[in-house]
Formats: sequence, C-alpha cells, structure tokens
Amino acid sequence: QQPVQSPQAVILREGEDAVINCSSSKALYSVHWYRQKHGEAPVFLMILLKGGEQKGHEKISASFNEKKQQSSLYLTASQLSYSGTYFCGTDGSNYGQNFVFGPGTRLSVLP
Amino acid sequence: NAGVTQTPKFRVLKTGQSMTLLCAQDMNHEYMYWYRQDPGMGLRLIHYSVGEGTTAKGEVPDGYNVSRLKKQNFLLGLESAAPSQTSVYFCASSPGGTGSHEQYFGPGTRLTVT
Repeated sequence: QQPVQSPQAVILREGEDAVINCSSSKALYSVHWYRQKHGEAPVFLMILLKGGEQKGHEKISASFNEKKQQSSLYLTASQLSYSGTYFCGTDGSNYGQNFVFGPGTRLSVLP
Repeated sequence: NAGVTQTPKFRVLKTGQSMTLLCAQDMNHEYMYWYRQDPGMGLRLIHYSVGEGTTAKGEVPDGYNVSRLKKQNFLLGLESAAPSQTSVYFCASSPGGTGSHEQYFGPGTRLTVT
C-alpha cells in the first residue's frame, strides 16, 4: 500500500527550513528518501532502518518512528539546489518484496 | 563506471507496435527494477529481478514482459503498445533488497504511444 506524504507541495525562500512527512498504514522495516529534479532521474538521499540504523548523505537529516510507521525529512537552511520532488519509499521487510514509493512532495526554493 | 544506462532515451510508437527497452548496469548489482512515472505522479513498479534468470511482477505488470538473461542487463518489452503506456520508464539497480539498500536509477526513457 502506497505511503502518504505531506505536504503535497511547499514553497520556501533560501535559508528557510522545511519538513516533509511520510506515513504508512502498515509496519515498516525501512524508509527511503529520494530527490528528483525536473526531467532527471531520482537520486538516493537516505535510508532509515528499523532499529535505528541510517545510511545516506551527511547533510541530510531524517527521523523514523517505527511505532507510528512515520518518517520525516528535515531540510534546514534551504538552498536553491534543494528544489525538486521528494519521494519516500517504504518496505515492510528486509527482502525488498514490498517496496513502494509515495506520491511525492514538490519543493520549490526561491531566491 | 557508467552506472545504470538505458536505451533508447526517446521513442514514439504507434498503437499495436512492439518494442524492447534495454537497461544495463556495471555495478555488479543483484537486484534490478523497471518503473514507470506518469506526469506529476510517483514511480510505480512494473517488474523486478532479484538475480540473473529471475523475474517477478510488481504493482503494474500488465502489458509488459521482462527478461534477465545476464546479470548486468534487464530488458522490458511491450508486445502491443497502447496509449495508456505513454510514460517515462526508469530502470534501477541495487546491491541487495530494497529493505536495506539504496537504488541507483538510470536516466529514463520517454515513450509516447500514438
């Protein structure tokens, strides 16, 4: 089942902060975050695993609440290059048989 | 390393025609995936493979077939194209299952079916 993302879209000025949320109705093993710029392929940002392990870019911050099946991506001091669509992806197991992407959150950073 | 490459980058088909999209990766990854992305939408999994010689259905497999004869290649076939298959197709690979491994995406193939 597809995870829910909020907000659907957000507009920021350079230097402002944003939080993007991802939630699922089922138990999760991991949450992924990807960013896609217009006309380009998605690029991996971070994985958060059950048990607290994280893998990803040092400048990206995210949290994973296993009990609530929720994850949040924190974008601080936003830059123009942060603009794009952010997708979360969720998996209920370690085997990758149930991975599904969310609908995306469009982020626009203005000068 | 080229990473994940896709051929072709653009294609226009007429309804009923067939074609094959090629995905190649040089990272020795076990898992490979085919997604489609419609305008303003997220990515939906068509088929995936957990290793050479294996394939499995994803969320939207109807109208597509796949083959993984070599570890580095994953082919997506459309036997009889329909306008509803107009989309951008992305291939991805990962070293292990998506439970704990990131996916690396190719640049995409933009397919239009008229």
